[in-house]
Amino acid sequence: DAKTTQPNSMESNEEEPVHLPCNHSTISGTDYIHWYRQLPSQGPEYVIHGLTSNVNNRMASLAIAEDRKSSTLILHRATLRDAAVYYCILRSGNTPLVFGKGTRLSVIA
Amino acid sequence: DTAVSQTPKYLVTQMGNDKSIKCEQNLGHDTMYWYKQDSKKFLKIMFSYNNKELIINETVPNRFSPKSPDKAHLNLHINSLELGDSAVYFCASSQGYGRVSGNTIYFGEGSWLTVV
Repeated sequence: DAKTTQPNSMESNEEEPVHLPCNHSTISGTDYIHWYRQLPSQGPEYVIHGLTSNVNNRMASLAIAEDRKSSTLILHRATLRDAAVYYCILRSGNTPLVFGKGTRLSVIA
Repeated sequence: DTAVSQTPKYLVTQMGNDKSIKCEQNLGHDTMYWYKQDSKKFLKIMFSYNNKELIINETVPNRFSPKSPDKAHLNLHINSLELGDSAVYFCASSQGYGRVSGNTIYFGEGSWLTVV
C-alpha cells in the first residue's frame, strides 16, 4: 500500500484556520486521497477526498499539489469539536482504508 | 437512524469465553468491514465482505469468525478470548466494491471489548 506521512500532532486556536499537511510521494495514478478523522471515543468519520483537483465541502477543503505528492486538509475555522486524530489515506478502488498514525489536532479555546 | 450500528457497545468478559459482536448497516451497502483498534490506537483492517462473501482476511487468528447472514449484517464471533483481544472493534460499510472510485466508508461507534 502507498504510504502517507503526517505530523504526529498539531495545535490550533479556536476559530482560526488549520492546515494539516500530508506527504504521499509514492502515490499512483489511481490513488484517491482520502481524509478521515476520529473524534475521542468515536469511530472514524469521512471528511473529504479528491483525486487531482482541489475539493471543498461543508466540513473542509482539500488542496492537492499539482504533482499529487502532497496534499493539505484545510479547516477554515477550527472549533473545539474539531479536536480529533486526522488520517490522510491513499485508496485505490474500493479497497479497505489502511490507516496510519494520523495527526492529533488539539484546539485551544 | 444510525447508519452503522454495533452491539454491544461495551463488553467485559473472562479469558476463554466465546463472544459475539453484531453489526448492521441500513445504508444499502454491499461491502462491510471489521477493524480493530488496539491500545496504541492503531486501526487495522481484519475482514472485508462483499455481498456476503469474504474478500479480505488480514491474517486474523481463526478464533475470529465473521458471519454475514445478509448484505446488511456482518457479525464477529470470537472463540477462546485472550487478553490480547482487548480492543475496540469497529464495523464499517461502503458501496461498490471493485470500482475505481472514492467511495466513502461509514463506521459504527465501536465495541469496547475488555478481556480479564
